[in-house]
Amino acid sequence: DSGVTQTPKHLITATGQRVTLRCSPRSGDLSVYWYQQSLDQGLQFLIQYYNGEERAKGNILERFSAQQFPDLHSELNLSSLELGDSALYFCASSVEGGGSYEQYFGPGTRLTVT
Amino acid sequence: AQSVTQLGSHVSVSEGALVLLRCNYSSSVPPYLFWYVQYPNQGLQLLLKYTSAATLVKGINGFEAEFKKSETSFHLTKPSAHMSDAAEYFCAVSENGNKLVFGAGTILRVKS
Repeated sequence: DSGVTQTPKHLITATGQRVTLRCSPRSGDLSVYWYQQSLDQGLQFLIQYYNGEERAKGNILERFSAQQFPDLHSELNLSSLELGDSALYFCASSVEGGGSYEQYFGPGTRLTVT
Repeated sequence: AQSVTQLGSHVSVSEGALVLLRCNYSSSVPPYLFWYVQYPNQGLQLLLKYTSAATLVKGINGFEAEFKKSETSFHLTKPSAHMSDAAEYFCAVSENGNKLVFGAGTILRVKS
């Protein structure tokens, strides 16, 4: 158990809908990262937050947004969902935002868009 | 941009045999390198990391990796494979101190 929690574990929704994925980092970790894992794209970085502020952005679609709250939990919002958004979404956390700090991953949310 | 190449999408070894999973990276600056393991329907678990303190890094579950700057490699090894090692392994490099850039992964199969 990494100490990172994600809810829900599974999500099935229809095209065009909007969903929210939730992540709670390990106790004491200030940085939260979101990744998408799909068969065709592999593991792709989406976005990073550090202590409530956006720090880095990756290949995140404009239909996707995220935020980190004062209690440090984070939410990833996916809207106008398409079939291609079906994937595993992972949240990870680290103590700081620097490169030497290992990231601990949650169990993921499996999103299926039908 | 930094990148990671994992040679061999599938590796099969016999139980008790040496495990060698290959990883090459590209980076214009000294990198931070990581190996993660993913068991079916689970998240990624950190096996080990390289942060320039030592070129031979020991990790959990008997795994280790050696950083070779001249070869831009960070191969993962384990002297004796166990059935429980069957999983997918990812090599990753830290880019700009923020995101992890992952390789495509190598699925390890252990035969009895």
